Amino acid sequence: RKEVEQDPGPFNVPEGATVAFNCTYSNSASQSFFWYRQDCRKEPKLLMSVYSSGNEDGRFTAQLNRASQYISLLIRDSKLSDSATYLCVVNMYSSASKIIFGSGTRLSIRP
Amino acid sequence: DVKVTQSSRYLVKRTGEKVFLECVQDMDHENMFWYRQDPGLGLRLIYFSYDVKMKEKGDIPEGYSVSREKKERFSLILESASTNQTSMYLCASSHGDRSYEQYFGPGTRLTVT
Repeated sequence: RKEVEQDPGPFNVPEGATVAFNCTYSNSASQSFFWYRQDCRKEPKLLMSVYSSGNEDGRFTAQLNRASQYISLLIRDSKLSDSATYLCVVNMYSSASKIIFGSGTRLSIRP
Repeated sequence: DVKVTQSSRYLVKRTGEKVFLECVQDMDHENMFWYRQDPGLGLRLIYFSYDVKMKEKGDIPEGYSVSREKKERFSLILESASTNQTSMYLCASSHGDRSYEQYFGPGTRLTVT
């Protein structure tokens, strides 16, 4: 079983829609969680951290469910520019060498 | 603005050749990383360095070595390139106490024929 699993998609949604996707992790020792965004043929960039209490950054909301071992990302009022691959990232033991990237969920927003 | 640069965007090498991939960061970051990214497998850590001359193996170090002689530079070496090392190689750096906030270079697409 992969340590971090994501639905690869693609999720194809119309502009203005709300879309959400999850990421599950297998190791309960995981301590911190993040979402990165990777545009086509570009490098990944940190999108947001995921806190136990959940956090919001504009149209983006990230949540953590430790009991079920998953994190989620919700995008409201989606824009064409949101089209990208979203990578779930899990940090185990707060160790720099134990940062695990998921293989990503591809999101495509259509006009 | 943080900048991580990699020596080549595209590279084609023959099986058995020694390959050097260079990465330079300009933010005085302590940590530097080398990943490879393959479809369906995501980013996999090859090696990590937390200081000059210090390194740790990642998940897939076999067939690779690294060198960090200066803080800003982290090199990945393929001792004898093989076709299964054809991949996108991404370098990243981060502050020592914010290892999760990694800044990536543009990547090197390596093809081994």
